[in-house]
Amino acid sequence: EVQLVESGGVVVQPGGSLRLSCAASGFTFDDYTMHWVRQAPGKGLEWVSLISWDGGSTYYADSVKGRFTISRDNSKNSLYLQMNSLRTEDTALYYCAKENYGDGSFDYWGQGTLVTVSS
Amino acid sequence: EIVLTQSPGTLSLSPGERATLSCRASQSVSSSYLAWYQQKPGQAPRLLIYGASSRATGIPDRFSGSGSGTDFTLTISRLEPEDFAVYYCQQYGSSFSWTFGQGTKVEIK
Repeated sequence: EVQLVESGGVVVQPGGSLRLSCAASGFTFDDYTMHWVRQAPGKGLEWVSLISWDGGSTYYADSVKGRFTISRDNSKNSLYLQMNSLRTEDTALYYCAKENYGDGSFDYWGQGTLVTVSS
Repeated sequence: EIVLTQSPGTLSLSPGERATLSCRASQSVSSSYLAWYQQKPGQAPRLLIYGASSRATGIPDRFSGSGSGTDFTLTISRLEPEDFAVYYCQQYGSSFSWTFGQGTKVEIK
């Protein structure tokens, strides 16, 4: 059974930093591109970032480019999101998601971890 | 960036009725890269349809997707009580950009 379990969400002040983690199991982690997607309270879904299977390629939404860094450790079946210079508008539930091979859809999602940016 | 606009914002229907949800793109989207998700309160999104018309694993056949170019549709042939939820369309475009529609809420009439 595929499982994605996020952790690391807390309350942080504007300008602060945070690192989210996602532990993956039930599939061959290093075969797949992985993503972070976020959802502000009561709002829709926003794609944040992706990392290729080997970590060699990373991409970001314009809203987080230069502030967030995605990474992975295939030896630990883990995905990460380093978040710096946090803003109030980064407040959201952050999901990690596995990309369905080759078509850009997300076939498995974690339950999310809540990041609140507030003074 | 491709913008996806879903309509209607809210659809009020009764169990057993047919639901038709629309997703319109600001520019042409490859059918291979158009997906639909269902999200219930307090839950993560669930993949329903990928490649515009292929059902994901375990998705009942009352869910179907269609469309091409800039106009895509999700149809639920007969609404079951568990189908009342928010539905999002999503596209993957060139330049490694993913966007979601704003969602359609299907509520019990």
